[in-house]
Amino acid sequence: GAGVSQSPSNKVTEKGKDVELRCDPISGHTALYWYRQSLGQGLEFLIYFQGNSAPDKSGLPSDRFSAERTGGSVSTLTIQRTQQEDSAVYLCASSPYEGEQFFGPGTRLTVL
Amino acid sequence: AQSVTQLGSHVSVSEGALVLLRCNYSSSVPPYLFWYVQYPNQGLQLLLKYTSAATLVKGINGFEAEFKKSETSFHLTKPSAHMSDAAEYFCAVRDTGGFKTIFGAGTRLFVKA
Repeated sequence: GAGVSQSPSNKVTEKGKDVELRCDPISGHTALYWYRQSLGQGLEFLIYFQGNSAPDKSGLPSDRFSAERTGGSVSTLTIQRTQQEDSAVYLCASSPYEGEQFFGPGTRLTVL
Repeated sequence: AQSVTQLGSHVSVSEGALVLLRCNYSSSVPPYLFWYVQYPNQGLQLLLKYTSAATLVKGINGFEAEFKKSETSFHLTKPSAHMSDAAEYFCAVRDTGGFKTIFGAGTRLFVKA
C-alpha cells in the first residue's frame, strides 16, 4: 500500500519568504506528526495531530511556524518569513492508534 | 516530562563484533519504546518496539533490545555487526496515555572491515 508522501522533496527559498510543506499520511492513520532534522542533529518534535483533538503544538519553535490538518488527512506545515536557521529536513510521520510511526521521505528546505 | 538520552553520538565497531547502542529514558507513566534506523539518504524505519509485553524485543536484521524498568534503559544490541548495519539509530519514547513521541539525538554506527 501507499506510504506517507511529502511534497516537495526539495525546496529552496529566499530569506523572508513563506513556504508550505505538504504531508499525505497513510489512509486510516489517526495520528500525524511533524519533525525537523537539522544537519547532524536528531529529530526535533514540532507538532502532532490526533483525530479531532486539539493538536499538540508544544514543539513549534516560534510563531512563524504553523500547521493544519484538513479532514483528518492531509497536513500542511507553513513557515512564514523564513530564516536561514530554518534550513533542515522536515519529516512527517503518521501512526495508527498505539502503533509505531511511519515516516515520509522528508522535505529538504534550504533558506538562502 | 518524557526525555530520551542516547549515550554516544558515534559508535564504531569491527565487522562481526557486538553492537551495543545505549538508550535511557524518563517517563512519568509506563512508556512505549522504539528504535528506528535511518540508512544513508533514506527515511526512518522501525527496527523494533516495546509495548509492555515481553521485555526482550526482537526486531529486524538481527537486532534486539531489552526493556529494564529498574534501569530505565532500552539498549539495542546485535551479536555480530555487518557492514550493512552502518546507519544512524534513534531511540524514541511515547507515553502509553498519549501520542507525543520524543526522539533521542541519535547514534551513528560505523562498521569497520
